[in-house]
Amino acid sequence: EAGVAQSPRYKIIEKRQSVAFWCNPISGHATLYWYQQILGQGPKLLIQFQNNGVVDDSQLPKDRFSAERLKGVDSTLKIQPAKLEDSAVYLCASSLGQGQGEQYFGPGTRLTVT
Amino acid sequence: AQSVTQLGSHVSVSEGALVLLRCNYSSSVPPYLFWYVQYPNQGLQLLLKYTTGATLVKGINGFEAEFKKSETSFHLTKPSAHMSDAAEYFCAVSGLRDDKIIFGKGTRLHILP
Repeated sequence: EAGVAQSPRYKIIEKRQSVAFWCNPISGHATLYWYQQILGQGPKLLIQFQNNGVVDDSQLPKDRFSAERLKGVDSTLKIQPAKLEDSAVYLCASSLGQGQGEQYFGPGTRLTVT
Repeated sequence: AQSVTQLGSHVSVSEGALVLLRCNYSSSVPPYLFWYVQYPNQGLQLLLKYTTGATLVKGINGFEAEFKKSETSFHLTKPSAHMSDAAEYFCAVSGLRDDKIIFGKGTRLHILP
């Protein structure tokens, strides 16, 4: 079974530029999550989708971050404009959404903002 | 509200020695508890989880954890460390029937030859 796919794996941009990350969850997983993992910290949930609807985006900085999950499968996370403090690993995860809490993680995208 | 505290951001053990990574949680509802491992430049991989039932949970790679409600703890152990266990370990909690997981800050495990 294929795992969660993410691209790109690495991205370096200058502050005030924009960037987009892509995630393809495990087939059949209804729930998709985007996490931000700053160096030295645990992952922090940015947004959670159930199919193509947003369940929780309370921690998403909506002035600069946006995410969508068209058709309830793939998802993109965008940052515009980026700030230095956005440097982090962005992890995508998916789950069946049955309330068991087991999430499967992709390899992440390491973003460096200079 | 839920939270997780991992004691020690770095832990070093000798190869073959006991591994003990400490985790305490706070939850207003019966918790689901997890340990994830993250190898360099990789995503998180589930080691084990506690949902209900037996409080001693066995996971992959010889790890196990015990849920102690009275101590609000879920410490991770392995009897004999291997060099390949060097990684970052995250304890996490979620509420019953709640997909939202709260992670601790992580503990980096170093294995000394």
